[in-house]
Amino acid sequence: KQEVTQIPAALSVPEGENLVLNCSFTDSAIYNLQWFRQDPGKGLTSLLLIQSSQREQTSGRLNASLDKSSGRSTLYIAASQPGDSATYLCAVPGSGNTGKLIFGQGTTLQVKP
Amino acid sequence: DAGVIQSPRHEVTEMGQEVTLRCKPISGHNSLFWYRQTMMRGLELLIYFNNNVPIDDSGMPEDRFSAKMPNASFSTLKIQPSEPRDSAVYFCASSLVGGGSSPLHFGNGTRLTVT
Repeated sequence: KQEVTQIPAALSVPEGENLVLNCSFTDSAIYNLQWFRQDPGKGLTSLLLIQSSQREQTSGRLNASLDKSSGRSTLYIAASQPGDSATYLCAVPGSGNTGKLIFGQGTTLQVKP
Repeated sequence: DAGVIQSPRHEVTEMGQEVTLRCKPISGHNSLFWYRQTMMRGLELLIYFNNNVPIDDSGMPEDRFSAKMPNASFSTLKIQPSEPRDSAVYFCASSLVGGGSSPLHFGNGTRLTVT
């Protein structure tokens, strides 16, 4: 059974710092991994989708990497800004190709001005 | 595109009442998902439709929950009768293709409170 873990659960950094969020999954037989952002009272916004054949994906100040063999992904945020404050979740497809995504519990990030 | 649209945004009801949540997916998307989010359990998939057909409803907690997708632009999630433990935020999401192969787009959710 696929399980997704995100560490740390919460993170507080001063503005301008570079930071890394971690995601680990137990079943490495995945074909992609997605990172999402959730603002309070809102739905999730897809940030990056990495296919299993890719090592990383970049969007602006965000860079996500995927290491299937070790069951890990990281989300790197460069030059953090207060507007980056949100909860970040990673998700991988469940087994059986049913379309189900298994989500981690998320990392809540606070960037202080 | 307006994105995934859910209604109502908030619903407060008494135990035993019927609750109906509504969702309009992004036009052209052929996969639709209903998720439930709570502090204790995080995000849980309730049911997944592909081309209006339910593919995986293993996450539907009990017979009190039912979901329909009568056409490509509309889906409902119904709880009858509702119970306090059903209190959560219910999200609808859609994607261009299923299987997690394309990004998932979420609505803003319906916050359900059952008293």
